Amino acid sequence: GIQVEQSPPDLILQEGANSTLRCNFSDSVNNLQWFHQNPWGQLINLFYIPSGTKQNGRLSATTVATERYSLLYISSSQTTDSGVYFCAVRPPRGGSNYKLTFGKGTLLTVNP
Amino acid sequence: GAGVSQSPSNKVTEKGKDVELRCDPISGHTALYWYRQSLGQGLEFLIYFQGNSAPDKSGLPSDRFSAERTGGSVSTLTIQRTQQEDSAVYLCASSLFAPGGGETQYFGPGTRLLVL
Repeated sequence: GIQVEQSPPDLILQEGANSTLRCNFSDSVNNLQWFHQNPWGQLINLFYIPSGTKQNGRLSATTVATERYSLLYISSSQTTDSGVYFCAVRPPRGGSNYKLTFGKGTLLTVNP
Repeated sequence: GAGVSQSPSNKVTEKGKDVELRCDPISGHTALYWYRQSLGQGLEFLIYFQGNSAPDKSGLPSDRFSAERTGGSVSTLTIQRTQQEDSAVYLCASSLFAPGGGETQYFGPGTRLLVL
């Protein structure tokens, strides 16, 4: 099956700093989502971005489908950005099962 | 509803007992998924429902796990004779259906299961 690798595994920032999280995947995809898992365990949708670039406030994401990677940018980080960030993908040839395959996540800690 | 809801939020049970976990998807979403998040395995797929089609059970770890979806809406995941390794967060997601799978999946808050 498709492989998803996220880097870095852990990241510690001071409030106000910028960061870039990366997601590499081993096959073409027609679904790529970025999630933020907050300290209470809720998976919050950040972006649906199988290709192209999107921005939402301080967050933006870019997926270069032909090179099989996606980047999540966090600018002017805040303590509330802390948590685990997951990338999840689905290849177009996955048959009738539309399950997402998740990476292991990046644990972000933003210190005040 | 406004989002995917799950119940109970937390469940503590004794080894060998059966448990039922419930998921209420977003209204109008015909696709429903169950995933499991555990320390050792990360986030892994369990089962997928789409409309009236037969569910895809390829991710269920053993025959102690089963799920049903009644009336194309609410789903129940049942774990029989629970084992300690079943302890995990069980997450439900739903989406609109799009041929090829290109639709955003929305996740519920999860049920945290602890088997003693």
